[in-house]
Order: sequence, then structure tokens, then C-alpha cells
Amino acid sequence: SQTIHQWPATLVQPVGSPLSLECTVEGTSNPNLYWYRQAAGRGLQLLFYSVGIGQISSEVPQNLSASRPQDRQFILSSKKLLLSDSGFYLCAWRTAGTGGEKLFFGSGTQLSVL
Amino acid sequence: SQELEQSPQSLIVQEGKNLTINCTSSKTLYGLYWYKQKYGEGLIFLMMLQKGGEEKSHEKITAKLDEKKQQSSLHITASQPSHAGIYLCGAPGAGGSNYKLTFGKGTLLTVNP
Repeated sequence: SQTIHQWPATLVQPVGSPLSLECTVEGTSNPNLYWYRQAAGRGLQLLFYSVGIGQISSEVPQNLSASRPQDRQFILSSKKLLLSDSGFYLCAWRTAGTGGEKLFFGSGTQLSVL
Repeated sequence: SQELEQSPQSLIVQEGKNLTINCTSSKTLYGLYWYKQKYGEGLIFLMMLQKGGEEKSHEKITAKLDEKKQQSSLHITASQPSHAGIYLCGAPGAGGSNYKLTFGKGTLLTVNP
């Protein structure tokens, strides 16, 4: 069966420090991968998605970047965190192909930038 | 771009009562997903609707996509404290294999015992 792992669960970082959040999916090949951010009062915002290794699409201009070095690995990074980067980050995946499949979510990372 | 508006934003009900949460789209829906989230946790998939008029049920939760495919409702019968959480609706855009979901801001449900 397919599972998605996301870590760490919580993270407290000072402003200006780097960030690396990792997400891995097991039990499937060539998934579509997504990074969402959930901030208070703003709902779930799609940050990045990837349809294959090395293929990253950014949805909104921001201080973050994403990479997909392996088929089932998706990394969210920042060189210098801002206060506004605080939020709950969720990784998600779905089987590539036509619509109708479910989007599965990881357990999330609560990031606090102080 | 597509926007999803959920109503109400929050809801407090007594255990055993029925309730309905609505999700209205600014554009035609090509599918509609309902998820449940506990605070600080990931989203749990509840149901997916694709056809206008489609209705699905799981235990005491029923979701329906209206005929014109611009609104969906989620109905909980005889609510229990275990139903408490944030309910989110999500919808894909038209076409494309990337299948990005746009989400509403969620409805916070509290069920008092």
C-alpha cells in the first residue's frame, strides 16, 4: 500500500536561517507531488507541484523553492526564512494520469519562524 | 482563477443534531473533494464527487454535487464528538494532468457532548 512520510512534524527556526522539509512517498511510481501551505485565515495554498524528477512548477512568488531529486522525494527549501514563512506545510501526492484519483496528504510540518 | 467559498466558517452543534456545510465555486466544478482535518494534522480524504447530481455517503456523512455543478453540500446526521474538526472542500481545474486542487478556507465544526 502507498504511504507518505513528512518530517519533521514541528520546527522552530530563527529569521534568516535556512529550511529543508522532506517528503517521501512509498508504494507508487511517478506520482504527482505537491507542497501546500496552510496559514491562519488563508486556507490551503498550493506552493509547488511536480509531475516528474527535476520538474518543478511554482504557483506563487515567494521565498521558498522546491526540488525533486528522486521519483518519490520532494523537498521544500529556503535559504533565508522570513517571519511570513510561518505556517503548516503539507506534502501531497496522487497517481499521475487522468483526473478522478484522490489526493493523499502527509501529516504536515508546523513551522514557526521567530 | 477558481475560488471556493465555504459556509458557515464555523459551526457549533449539540451531539445528535444534524448539520450541513456548503461549498460554492466561482466556476463550474469538474470534481469536488471533501476532506476532514484535525487541528495540526494532515487532511483525511472523505469523498469525491464528479457528476452533477451525484450523491455519496459514508457512515453518517453524505455529500452531494448539485446539477449545475457549482455547489456541493456535506451533511452529517446525528453528529458525534468524533465528527469535530475542520472540513475542507477542494476542486481541480479544468483539464491538465497536474491536477492541482484549489481549496476553500474550511469550516470548523465543534460538537458538544
